[in-house]
Amino acid sequence: QSVLTQPPSVSGAPGQRVTISCSGSTSNIGSNYVYWYQQLPGMAPKLLIFGNNQRLSGVPDRFSGSKSGTSASLAISGLRSEDEADYYCAAWDDTLTGRGLFGGGTRVTVL
Amino acid sequence: QVQLQESGPGLVKPSETLSLTCSVSGGSIGYYYWSWIRQSPGKGLEWIGYLYNSGSTNYNPFLKSRVTISVDTSKNQLSLNVNSVTAADTGVYYCARADATGILFLNHWGRGALVTVSS
Repeated sequence: QSVLTQPPSVSGAPGQRVTISCSGSTSNIGSNYVYWYQQLPGMAPKLLIFGNNQRLSGVPDRFSGSKSGTSASLAISGLRSEDEADYYCAAWDDTLTGRGLFGGGTRVTVL
Repeated sequence: QVQLQESGPGLVKPSETLSLTCSVSGGSIGYYYWSWIRQSPGKGLEWIGYLYNSGSTNYNPFLKSRVTISVDTSKNQLSLNVNSVTAADTGVYYCARADATGILFLNHWGRGALVTVSS
């Protein structure tokens, strides 16, 4: 059970918009930046979003991040087949001596 | 463009020590946050710990007693040791570098090294 909670899966038809939620607490999302990673099958994760809502250079503007309180979201608009992957949110947690946290991951399926 | 490459034994016996190396090319190790992250088969990502500025470290409290991250600046290599391993330590181990001050701003990743814990 991850401290950052994501839905196991979301799906959508090509061209549609899907949203992935990431729920945390005041010690992580509530007080630190949120990052979003995309992991294609058999590949290392790739950073998409940093600082809650900033796209890394080269990331299509179809991807957008947001944060409110202790929750964050990643939206993918104009869904494409190449977006089919696992997506992970991440945030620093200030409890104990501090640690990095990843959500459990969300599999996006393009129907 | 910095490149990272993990290497080490693919098979480790239970109760022994898992040792991996991350070789860095195209950039120096200093003044960056370097993290190790692992992924159990079919599961999500788990942050193991980081090394910063060739010296200071911070480990996941749930692994802290078994983990050591170190650096050899002369070889431009990072190392990860996890002792007293069990089957739960099986997975793909990644090293990654943060490009900005955010520890989780992990913009550079190695391809990962698969480690299986089995007798």
